Amino acid sequence: SQTIHQWPATLVQPVGSPLSLECTVEGTSNPNLYWYRQAAGRGLQLLFYSVGIGQISSEVPQNLSASRPQDRQFILSSKKLLLSDSGFYLCAWSAGIQNTEAFFGQGTRLTVV
Amino acid sequence: RKEVEQDPGPFNVPEGATVAFNCTYSNSASQSFFWYRQDCRKEPKLLMSVYSSGNEDGRFTAQLNRASQYISLLIRDSKLSDSATYLCVVVSGGSYIPTFGRGTSLIVHP
Repeated sequence: SQTIHQWPATLVQPVGSPLSLECTVEGTSNPNLYWYRQAAGRGLQLLFYSVGIGQISSEVPQNLSASRPQDRQFILSSKKLLLSDSGFYLCAWSAGIQNTEAFFGQGTRLTVV
Repeated sequence: RKEVEQDPGPFNVPEGATVAFNCTYSNSASQSFFWYRQDCRKEPKLLMSVYSSGNEDGRFTAQLNRASQYISLLIRDSKLSDSATYLCVVVSGGSYIPTFGRGTSLIVHP
């Protein structure tokens, strides 16, 4: 069966520090991968998605970047965090075909102080 | 206009009540539809898919109205454990990217 792992679960980082969140998927190949952010009391905002290794699409211009160095690995990064980067970050995967749902990692709660 | 819109609520209902949520979407090319449940400080989890013919899973019924571009979720005989945020998800053909509504908060009280 397919599983998705995301870590860390919580993170407190100072303003200006770098960020690296990692997500890996097991049990499937060539998944679509997604990074979402959910601010407090708000919906899920799509940040990046990837349909293959090295292929990254950015939905919202911001202080973050994403990379997909391997088929089932998706990394969210920042060189210098801002206070506004605080939020709940969720990695997800889907098969990328019709009528298939997305599956989420446990999420990372990031607080920038 | 947002791609997927939901009434954020909260819907505050007593145990045993029937409650319905609606969700509207703007992209007429949307092909797949889902309802997710999200508990506080947790990741969203699939509740049910929404098929053109409608579908039922126990106390939950989901329906799709393509002409009016909305989907609905009906919960019968509400339980305390149904308290959560319910997210409407629409997937458009081609990109297959899931687009989420803001979610509707449900609070079931004794």
